[in-house]
Amino acid sequence: GAVVSQHPSWVICKSGTSVKIECRSLDFQATTMFWYRQFPKQSLMLMATSNEGSKATYEQGVEKDKFLINHASLTLSTLTVTSAHPEDSSFYICSARVPGRYEQYFGPGTRLTVT
Amino acid sequence: DQQVKQNSPSLSVQEGRISILNCDYTNSMFDYFLWYKKYPAEGPTFLISISSIKDKNEDGRFTVFLNKSAKHLSLHIVPSQPGDSAVYFCAAGASGSARQLTFGSGTQLTVLP
Repeated sequence: GAVVSQHPSWVICKSGTSVKIECRSLDFQATTMFWYRQFPKQSLMLMATSNEGSKATYEQGVEKDKFLINHASLTLSTLTVTSAHPEDSSFYICSARVPGRYEQYFGPGTRLTVT
Repeated sequence: DQQVKQNSPSLSVQEGRISILNCDYTNSMFDYFLWYKKYPAEGPTFLISISSIKDKNEDGRFTVFLNKSAKHLSLHIVPSQPGDSAVYFCAAGASGSARQLTFGSGTQLTVLP
């Protein structure tokens, strides 16, 4: 149980375009999902906390107008990278917390390359 | 300010021996701790957790020890297997903070056959 999927697994886009990444909890309902970013050989950096039916909470230094998060249902959160630039190239990972449990379950990640 | 620290970026052990991965934290509000395993280009996989009311939790080959006074936790893997080779992250959370997790920088474990 507690499976989280992400789509797409990798995407290449041109500078200035927008990219949407989906995160789904497949076998449980997640009122809270999290979006992380990982740079090579570095730890996971929390970008934002996504709450179903309300606005996301962004971490300090993360531009909310650039990284749009929508959590429209209990099983789906989306991250849209708007007007992508090469410096946005990274590995984006989502996670979902099982209600009543401490642990978060992670999706497989999305490799974004902006050319 | 790193609230969760993994001071060893890498560790190599022989197959069959014990692997000990360490983690230190500074925030006394943290009351639950987790270990994750991560392969390249994949999301982390949850391994084991411990709450602050315990000092030990065991699950198969994995045991996590928590020393609250020292603000230190460790993950023991015994016996180590080549398939355990991965990056291990410790994470900590505080019950009253939207259940967010703060991650350490990770330790690359290599189990040599």
